[in-house]
This record gives sequence, structure tokens and C-alpha cells, in this order.
Amino acid sequence: EVRLVESGGGLVQPGGSLRLSCAASGFSFRSYEMNWVRQAPGKGLERVAFISTGNGRIYYGDSVKGRFTVSRDDAKSSLYLQMNSLRAEDTAIYYCARDIGVAAADYWGQGTLVTVSS
Amino acid sequence: QSALTQPASVSGSLGQSITISCTGTSSDVGNYNFVSWYQVHPGSAPKLIISQVTKRPSGVSNRFSGSKSGNTASLTISGLQAEDEAEYYCCSHAIRNTPDWVFGGGTKLTVL
Repeated sequence: EVRLVESGGGLVQPGGSLRLSCAASGFSFRSYEMNWVRQAPGKGLERVAFISTGNGRIYYGDSVKGRFTVSRDDAKSSLYLQMNSLRAEDTAIYYCARDIGVAAADYWGQGTLVTVSS
Repeated sequence: QSALTQPASVSGSLGQSITISCTGTSSDVGNYNFVSWYQVHPGSAPKLIISQVTKRPSGVSNRFSGSKSGNTASLTISGLQAEDEAEYYCCSHAIRNTPDWVFGGGTKLTVL
């Protein structure tokens, strides 16, 4: 069974940092490209980061470019999102999602909530 | 403001059919057959129900179907059931500075 489990969310002050993790199981993690997608309260979905297999390609959404860093550890079947210089507008549920290569993600974790507030 | 335009809400009675539209531009929906649809129940993760405009993943009911004409994609749900009540999002491949996904703002489906 494919499982994606996010962790690392919480309350952080503006300007602070958080590192999100996504533990994958039930499939060959190294063979799949991965995404981080977020949903702010009352808002729609937004892809914030993409990482290919072998770290060959990494893309960021314009709203997080220069502040967020995506990485993966295939040996640990894990995906990460380092978030720096956090802003109130980064408040959202963050999901990791498995990419199937046609601008779609077929498995999503349950998400982890990040709240940026003083 | 979302890149793709969806109606904020639609409703339909049990057993009826509804269609949700998703309008983009020639830079996204109109130029690629990479449109997907997601179903989101409150408190749950998004579920992929359509990819590549018309393809249903294994396990998704054949009551869900997708189509596209020009810059507008559509999701049709036939034989509405109570469990179809959810938020639905469209998504398209787009080329900005880098390959990107653009989402619609979501459509709340109410089953009467």
C-alpha cells in the first residue's frame, strides 16, 4: 500500500524556519518525482516545489522561490521541505504528493499544518 | 486569484448529472492535454479522479468523466451520489519560467 506521511508542521513566528518531512512507503520512492502542494485556509491548491528523480530538476513556485528548499533522501524514502523567512501567507496545510509525470499526482499524504503567526 | 477559472459552486440532485468547467488560456489548458481533476472532502487529502483530460485512475468510478474544448476543460459527474459532495479542483500543466502546475480556485459541489 502506498503511504505518504508528512510531519514537521507547527506554529512559527514570521521570519522563522521549519523543516517538513514526508516519509514514503509501499513503492519505489527513488523512481518517482515528488511535489509539495499547499492549501491555505479557505483557498485553493498551490504547488510550491517539485523535485525529479536523481535531483536533476527542481522547480519552485514564484511565491516561495528563494525561501524554500526541496530535497530528497532516496535511501530513507523521504522528501523534505526547508522553509525559511516564513510569512503569514505561508500558513497552509502542506501535502507531499507523488508525481505521475502528466501534471498530476496520484497519491497524497494527509498533510501537515503550518501556521505562521506572532 | 487562481490561474484557472472554475465556478465557485454547483449543485445537483441525487441521480442527476452535473458539469464543472475549468477555463484557462492558450498557455495552459488550451496548449496541453495535461489537465487533471481532484476531489477533496473536508479534512481529507486530495484524490486524483481524472488525469490527461479524460483518463480515470484505477478504482475511480466511471461516473466521473473529463473532456476539453479549446481553453476550457470540463468534469462531468453522472448519477450523483451523496458521497460526491466535495470540493473539486482542476489543474493544468503550464510553462511559466519553468514547467508549472496551475490550479483552479475550486468548485463546491452540493448534492441535494
